[in-house]
Parts: sequence; structure tokens; C-alpha cells
Amino acid sequence: DAKTTQPNSMESNEEEPVHLPCNHSTISGTDYIHWYRQLPSQGPEYVIHGLTSNVNNRMASLAIAEDRKSSTLILHRATLRDAAVYYCILISGYGGSQGNLIFGKGTKLSVKP
Amino acid sequence: ETGVTQTPRHLVMGMTNKKSLKCEQHLGHNAMYWYKQSAKKPLELMFVYNFKEQTENNSVPSRFSPECPNSSHLFLHLHTLQPEDSALYLCASSRADLRGDWNTIYFGEGSWLTVV
Repeated sequence: DAKTTQPNSMESNEEEPVHLPCNHSTISGTDYIHWYRQLPSQGPEYVIHGLTSNVNNRMASLAIAEDRKSSTLILHRATLRDAAVYYCILISGYGGSQGNLIFGKGTKLSVKP
Repeated sequence: ETGVTQTPRHLVMGMTNKKSLKCEQHLGHNAMYWYKQSAKKPLELMFVYNFKEQTENNSVPSRFSPECPNSSHLFLHLHTLQPEDSALYLCASSRADLRGDWNTIYFGEGSWLTVV
């Protein structure tokens, strides 16, 4: 699976937007971009995923660069509950090893009140 | 609520004990997974079940024994564990029949296991 690169940590103020970047310069044409987050002492939580077009859901938005070599997870208004480690991972749409999520170190997001 | 429920949330067991972790998913998925997560290692996939059949065993020691009686329930039977098996054990589920969508995996909150 292609690798991703994320900043180790980021800080945000409550109720402000947060843009979490992810670089994946070796992404292949069949790789989907997935984001998960993990709050302290809890299991990972699916956030959003996309292939080529920008995606929105109730939790966040995903902006994907035109060349797909980078993406940005956007939290429109950060809350204290959004403080977590955010993982950007690539998952092959063709024959990838089922369930084999390779989490890197992710970005630890801190939210200040 | 993630739709995947794990019990117990915390378990302390001796090395000679036999215990089981239970997982139930209410999402209508047909694939279920066990993962291990510890401070020393990132997320490790242990077992995969599709339509109740085990399709993946990532070289997991036999002291961990999974059981999947139906598509909604998954167990992990534990016996003669070692202290290094102490970790967070995560159950997850997904659909398994849609190209590109099967890897949207939904996790439970995990079971914290301590082996003493």
C-alpha cells in the first residue's frame, strides 16, 4: 500500500475550522483515501473517504487535490470532542488485503476552549 | 454509538485463565474483524470473517481462538495468555461485497485486556 505523510500534531481553537493535511505522492489510480480518527481510550472511528471528487458528510469534508497526491480533511467548526489522533490511509479498490488498515502515526489534534 | 458493541470493556485475567471477548454488530454487515492495538505496535489485523467463514488469520498464536456463529456476532476465546498479550482488542465490521466500499470499517470501542 502507498504511504501517507501527516504532521505529527496540530492545534486549533474551539469553533474554528481545522484543515488537516495528508500527502500521498505515490497513490495509485485505484487507491481510495480514507480518514479515521481515534479518541483517547476508544476504537478508531471512520470519518470520511473519497476517490477523486471532494466529499462532504455530517462529520467533515474531504478535499482532494486534482493530481490526488494530497488531500485535506476539513472540520468546519472544531469542538473539544474533536480532539483525537487523525489517520489518513490509502486503501486499494482492487484486491487489497481485506481489513488491513495500515495506520501511521497520524496527526494529534488538540482543541483549545 | 458505532453500531459495533464489545464486551467486556475491561478484562484482567491470569495466565492460566480462560476468558472470551464478545462482539455484536447492528449494521447489517457481513464481514467482521479482530484487531490488536498496543502501545508498542500500531493496529494489527488478527482475523477476518466473511459471511461467517474465516478468510484471514494473520499468524495469530493458537491461544487466541475466534468464533463467528453468524454474521452479527464474533467471539475471541482466550486461554493461557502471556503478559505481552495485554492490549486493546478491537472488533470491527464492514460490508464485503461492494467494490471499493468493503474497506469502510466500523470499529467497536474495544476491550482492554490485562494479563497478569
